[in-house]
Formats: sequence, structure tokens, C-alpha cells
Amino acid sequence: DAGVIQSPRHEVTEMGQEVTLRCKPISGHDYLFWYRQTMMRGLELLIYFNNNVPIDDSGMPEDRFSAKMPNASFSTLKIQPSEPRDSAVYFCASSFSGGPYGYTFGSGTRLTVV
Amino acid sequence: AQRVTQPEKLLSVFKGAPVELKCNYSYSGSPELFWYVQYSRQRLQLLLRHISRESIKGFTADLNKGETSFHLKKPFAQEEDSAMYYCALSFYGGATNKLIFGTGTLLAVQP
Repeated sequence: DAGVIQSPRHEVTEMGQEVTLRCKPISGHDYLFWYRQTMMRGLELLIYFNNNVPIDDSGMPEDRFSAKMPNASFSTLKIQPSEPRDSAVYFCASSFSGGPYGYTFGSGTRLTVV
Repeated sequence: AQRVTQPEKLLSVFKGAPVELKCNYSYSGSPELFWYVQYSRQRLQLLLRHISRESIKGFTADLNKGETSFHLKKPFAQEEDSAMYYCALSFYGGATNKLIFGTGTLLAVQP
């Protein structure tokens, strides 16, 4: 298994543009998580899915952020419109049936909004 | 509310010195605790979990429920240990599962 795959690795966009980040979890994992990493706040949980269903989106900062998981092998995190303060590294992680086995993280997408 | 606190943003030590990265948690139930490590510009990797009571790369961490702590220790630091370390708490609420992280501690091991 290639692990959790995220794309793109880097994204530079102008303020106001729509940004879509993509994630392919490990096959067989039933949980998928989106995290945001910044120097000031560390790792923040934005939203997570269980069996493709959003369970908790309380960490999504604003309505500009949305996430979908149309099937077990694909998820997107969309920011529309983007703002400079959204600049961060966005990580996707997946796990099998919860926490005890730990999570597997993707390589992250470094987003820069100018 | 559930919370993970890592009081030090940066810990700088010399090679060969002992290391202790502090982590405290707040959770009323039975916690599952982890340490994750992130080397420069790489993905987060699971370092160790308290239920395994293992030693990875010379690091150990003991869960102290009385002090609600899960400090990460290594007797002799190596330069290759320089990385960002995150303490994480996994907890369950009914059918849900969550993993929350502390803000991280950057460990810098000087030669």
C-alpha cells in the first residue's frame, strides 16, 4: 500500500480563488481526518469521516471550508474563497476503527494564499 | 473538555544529554495516548503509543494517570532526534472517535 496520498504537495493561489485539496486514504481504513498545521496553533482537527459520513466538522473554521467523501477511496477539502490566513499545511490521515492503532498521515499539502 | 498540553515550544539540548518532552492531558475517561514525530518537511509518523509500553528509537513514555501526564523521555539525545514532537490523545464518545494533538515541541539536538 502506498499509504495515504495527498495532492497537490504544494499549492500557491491568489486570495479569493477556490482551492481543492485531495486525499486518498489507505484501502480498508474506515476513518478519514483532515488536519491543519500552523506554527501558532499546531495541528488542528478540521473534520473527520467514518465510513464516508462526516461525523464531526466542529473544527472547520468557517463556512468557506467544506469537505466531502464521495466514496471510501477519496476525499476533498475545499476552500472558497481562499484568504491569506488559510496558508498552512493541510494533512489528511486515515485509520482503521479508531485510535488504538494510530493514524497514518499523508505527506500534506502546503497551501500558500497570496 | 479534552485537551493536550505541551508547555514547551522549543527544547534545545546537546548531543548525549537526557531529553524529556512534557505532555499533560485532560480527559475524564480512559485515555489512549500517543507520541507522533515529524522530521523536517516530512509527514507525521507514529512514534509510540502508551498501550504498547514499547521503546522506539530509545524513546519511552509512561502514562501517569495521577499526574495526567505522558512525558516522552530518552536518556541520551542524538542529532537525528531533532524534529517536531506531538503528543496526542485519542478518546471515544459513543460511536465517535477523535485524535487531538498538543501544539508540539520542537526538539533541537546540538552537536
